[in-house]
Amino acid sequence: DTAVSQTPKYLVTQMGNDKSIKCEQNLGHDTMYWYKQDSKKFLKIMFSYNNKELIINETVPNRFSPKSPDKAHLNLHINSLELGDSAVYFCATTGSAMNTEAFFGQGTRLTVV
Amino acid sequence: TQLLEQSPQFLSIQEGENLTVYCNSSSVFSSLQWYRQEPGEGPVLLVTVVTGGEVKKLKRLTFQFGDARKDSSLHITAAQPGDTGLYLCAGLLTGSNYKLTFGKGTLLTVNP
Repeated sequence: DTAVSQTPKYLVTQMGNDKSIKCEQNLGHDTMYWYKQDSKKFLKIMFSYNNKELIINETVPNRFSPKSPDKAHLNLHINSLELGDSAVYFCATTGSAMNTEAFFGQGTRLTVV
Repeated sequence: TQLLEQSPQFLSIQEGENLTVYCNSSSVFSSLQWYRQEPGEGPVLLVTVVTGGEVKKLKRLTFQFGDARKDSSLHITAAQPGDTGLYLCAGLLTGSNYKLTFGKGTLLTVNP
């Protein structure tokens, strides 16, 4: 039973399309994150939600919109996909916003063609 | 400017060798973590250090947090092929709640 699960694992799509990535956690954690890992393996935070409320919003194009319908889910919707959006997107959770020991999902490899 | 500098960026060694990777910053961190990431997987937490000068051991892995809480090292003794992976350090800046800053990682390959 995977603690943090993301779907899909792979996503290939054309420029200009809109796509969503879903994340679910069964750890009972309060805080969820989206990270982007580029081709050089640099992992950078995009968003964080604590109990369904947005607490971190890094400098991310507003084509990216996170949504947290409940504490166990954090989805990422991306509009008008661009070539530069190609990366691996990771969902992660921590017990609370003060706790930084993170549990990561397997990642979603997004390729925009 | 990269807050956390990891070195070396790439390391390829033979099974049985020892190695050390470094994570350095000019900033002070409340805590620092090491993660290992294998291909196609997400990072997995290895250790958290919070006290300056702290040393933690995890089997053949030894982690040290610098006295000033600006740097850390990971030493692996008698490396094995199963140690192969991307090692990432991540720190929580003093006064910066909630947000982990990651280094760019050290890609370790241990050859049989």
